[in-house]
Amino acid sequence: EPEVTQTPSHQVTQMGQEVILRCVPISNHLYFYWYRQILGQKVEFLVSFYNNEISEKSEIFDDQFSVERPDGSNFTLKIRSTKLEDSAMYFCASKVSGANTGELFFGEGSRLTVL
Amino acid sequence: SQQGEEDPQALSIQEGENATMNCSYKTSINNLQWYRQNSGRGLVHLILIRSNEREKHSGRLRVTLDTSKKSSSLLITASRAADTASYFCATTRGPGGNTPLVFGKGTRLSVIA
Repeated sequence: EPEVTQTPSHQVTQMGQEVILRCVPISNHLYFYWYRQILGQKVEFLVSFYNNEISEKSEIFDDQFSVERPDGSNFTLKIRSTKLEDSAMYFCASKVSGANTGELFFGEGSRLTVL
Repeated sequence: SQQGEEDPQALSIQEGENATMNCSYKTSINNLQWYRQNSGRGLVHLILIRSNEREKHSGRLRVTLDTSKKSSSLLITASRAADTASYFCATTRGPGGNTPLVFGKGTRLSVIA
């Protein structure tokens, strides 16, 4: 069964360092998302991406964050200069169509720990 | 805020009992979805109910939607230990095709064998 895959599963980094989280969405999906979940808290929307551009972003997604789809398969989230409060699980998700009735398929997440 | 808010925050039941989780939201929706998350794992879609539907079933799951009260409930019948997980409702913030899903805080369900 097709699935969304994310790497790395866990990354530990020093504050101020750049981090890139990678995702391979399901191959025929067209809409891509990043969400994050601070431990024990709710799942928060970061950004949506379609047709090689950002569709919508939340207040969390500030200038320190960026996304790109460099090669038609990978979908990456970059944090330029990590802060302690960036420690969280980051989930990539995709869906096949833009209809609101489409379910999101989530990856297993990348746990980011900023020291 | 559009986001759903689930209650209770945590629920502990015996295997075989039914589990009911509730979700409230604030603005009009096109549909409401429920997702499940096992500890430390990704979210898995369970069921979607459209705004013009009042009830929907899928296996041991029953979802209701009351748009006049802006609320939904998820019922898991004959619960099993494997149902232990967090359950989230999610809504979209507008009618557009690609508006992102916004999740509530979730209900942590523990089913004791």
